[in-house]
Amino acid sequence: NAGVTQTPKFQVLKTGQSMTLQCAQDMNHEYMSWYRQDPGMGLRLIHYSVGAGITDQGEVPNGYNVSRSTTEDFPLRLLSAAPSQTSVYFCASSYNGQGLGEQYFGPGTRLTVT
Amino acid sequence: GEDVEQSLFLSVREGDSSVINCTYTDSSSTYLYWYKQEPGAGLQLLTYIFSNMDMKQDQRLTVLLNKKDKHLSLRIADTQTGDSAIYFCAERKPLVFGKGTRLSVIA
Repeated sequence: NAGVTQTPKFQVLKTGQSMTLQCAQDMNHEYMSWYRQDPGMGLRLIHYSVGAGITDQGEVPNGYNVSRSTTEDFPLRLLSAAPSQTSVYFCASSYNGQGLGEQYFGPGTRLTVT
Repeated sequence: GEDVEQSLFLSVREGDSSVINCTYTDSSSTYLYWYKQEPGAGLQLLTYIFSNMDMKQDQRLTVLLNKKDKHLSLRIADTQTGDSAIYFCAERKPLVFGKGTRLSVIA
């Protein structure tokens, strides 16, 4: 298994540009989520999904869209990038939302918005 | 709202014990977690404790849970330089993380 993969690893955007951060897992996990990590802020949940076709907002959803058309993929879209979205983005998955369900994290995407 | 709090920095000498503390707010959390993040990497689950337990020991790691005070701690015995990382406690699903404690181990 490849686990949780994220692309790209690094990205630089200009303010106002849009892009999609890709996340995929091959473990047949139902539960997937996106976090952003900023210095001194820990990880904050952006959006999550408990299964294909179901998404919900986390703590900091503004400026981001998600969809979950398949179990494997959970892309994160930035509609109009802003410097405040400069961060490291982590995707995570787990077998289901309840129980222990260890979350497996991808390696992260480092995004800079100028 | 939910809040998980932990101190931001901890520095210990190699061979000493490290104790990282965390307070959480959601008393309905079934599991509480400790994650480790090494430089430039994602997070890895280090250990966890079920909410009806007071203590869990796993080799050099000891997790203590005080449900009354909503206090969680992670003790690392015989701390090594390889333990230098950021440690996050987390509760609930979706996971709510603390801001992380950066552990520096001095040789």
